[in-house]
Amino acid sequence: GDSVTQMEGPVTLSEEAFLTINCTYTATGYPSLFWYVQYPGEGLQLLLKATKADDKGSNKGFEATYRKETTSFHLEKGSVQVSDSAVYFCALTIGGTSYGKLTFGQGTILTVHP
Amino acid sequence: DTAVSQTPKYLVTQMGNDKSIKCEQNLGHDTMYWYKQDSKKFLKIMFSYNNKELIINETVPNRFSPKSPDKAHLNLHINSLELGDSAVYFCASSKEGGGQPQHFGDGTRLSIL
Repeated sequence: GDSVTQMEGPVTLSEEAFLTINCTYTATGYPSLFWYVQYPGEGLQLLLKATKADDKGSNKGFEATYRKETTSFHLEKGSVQVSDSAVYFCALTIGGTSYGKLTFGQGTILTVHP
Repeated sequence: DTAVSQTPKYLVTQMGNDKSIKCEQNLGHDTMYWYKQDSKKFLKIMFSYNNKELIINETVPNRFSPKSPDKAHLNLHINSLELGDSAVYFCASSKEGGGQPQHFGDGTRLSIL
């Protein structure tokens, strides 16, 4: 079946540090890939997405590139802020009869200190 | 102008009771979902409806029954609540088809005493 594996957390960084959260996937079809972010007490918000190989999704300084050869979609940000503290989820969906069902990674808790 | 709204936000109840969670979306989407998030933050799909028709049922106990009166609403009814049902339940919606991003509600935190 389809699955997503994220790096273990929690991740703790100082403000302005470089962030990488690794994500790899296995899929039976050709997936679309997403990063979602969950701030404390809130629902999930779409952070960025990529729908085909070599696509780069970007938003709010975050980037991730769809790498089919390594089945990866690592999240990066050059300089994190305290306000980036949240839980980050990598996820995939495959079209067709799955009707967009999202398969999530286990989530990575990020804490950024001033 | 909330896109996906769930009620209630918090639900505290006794084991054995029956409860419902309501979800509404005003995005004009055709597909709606219920996800369960456990205490370790792991998210797993429970159900998916497309145009009021059940599409996905991920081996959820029969005590959980989704109902979609129209495209904009997907409610979740739970019978005979058990301790293991304690979790945060998220409703989401999307346009039809794969590759579409999903829009999530703020969740309902269900606590079973």
